[in-house]
Amino acid sequence: ETGVTQSPTHLIKTRGQQVTLRCSSQSGHNTVSWYQQALGQGPQFIFQYYREEENGRGNFPPRFSGLQFPNYSSELNVNALELDDSALYLCASSAGLAGEFTDTQYFGPGTRLTVL
Amino acid sequence: AQSVTQLDSQVPVFEEAPVELRCNYSSSVSVYLFWYVQYPNQGLQLLLKYLSGSTLVKGINGFEAEFNKSQTSFHLRKPSVHISDTAEYFCAVDTGGFKTIFGAGTRLFVKA
Repeated sequence: ETGVTQSPTHLIKTRGQQVTLRCSSQSGHNTVSWYQQALGQGPQFIFQYYREEENGRGNFPPRFSGLQFPNYSSELNVNALELDDSALYLCASSAGLAGEFTDTQYFGPGTRLTVL
Repeated sequence: AQSVTQLDSQVPVFEEAPVELRCNYSSSVSVYLFWYVQYPNQGLQLLLKYLSGSTLVKGINGFEAEFNKSQTSFHLRKPSVHISDTAEYFCAVDTGGFKTIFGAGTRLFVKA
């Protein structure tokens, strides 16, 4: 059973650019959540996808968007990058029905995004 | 809305000593409670979780936590720490569906 993987590991962008981060869920998991972890802080919930549909969103602007594909892999897209977007971006996958704790949330290693 | 407060940003402790990492939460509805550990340059690993039932929860690596509803606390404990326990620990709450709210973290530093 493979774990949650994320790519790339590190990324450097400049202000105003756009970025796409990728997440491959653990086998059999149909729910993926994305989190932003700024330096020295806890992760902040960005949004969640369940069976290719957005299923909840945290306090992040619309320039943060996502996709979930039929194989349950996922993308996080951020447009018009700002300096404050520099952070570790974590994805987490889980199985079972959204809203039920039939499983544990498994985190990937994260993508470190630096915006200059 | 839910919130999590981790009362200590850093906890230094000597090897083989006991440790307690404190966590308080605020919520108007029932919550599920979690502790995660993050080693340098890695993602989060679940240590333990409280969903219902017994208020004393045992997790991996010898950690345990006790849910106290009246004090809205979920403190993490280990009777004897090792150097390898040095890491960042996050308390988290969720009302269901893995839209998790995390605390700011507590850095546990185990000294030889």
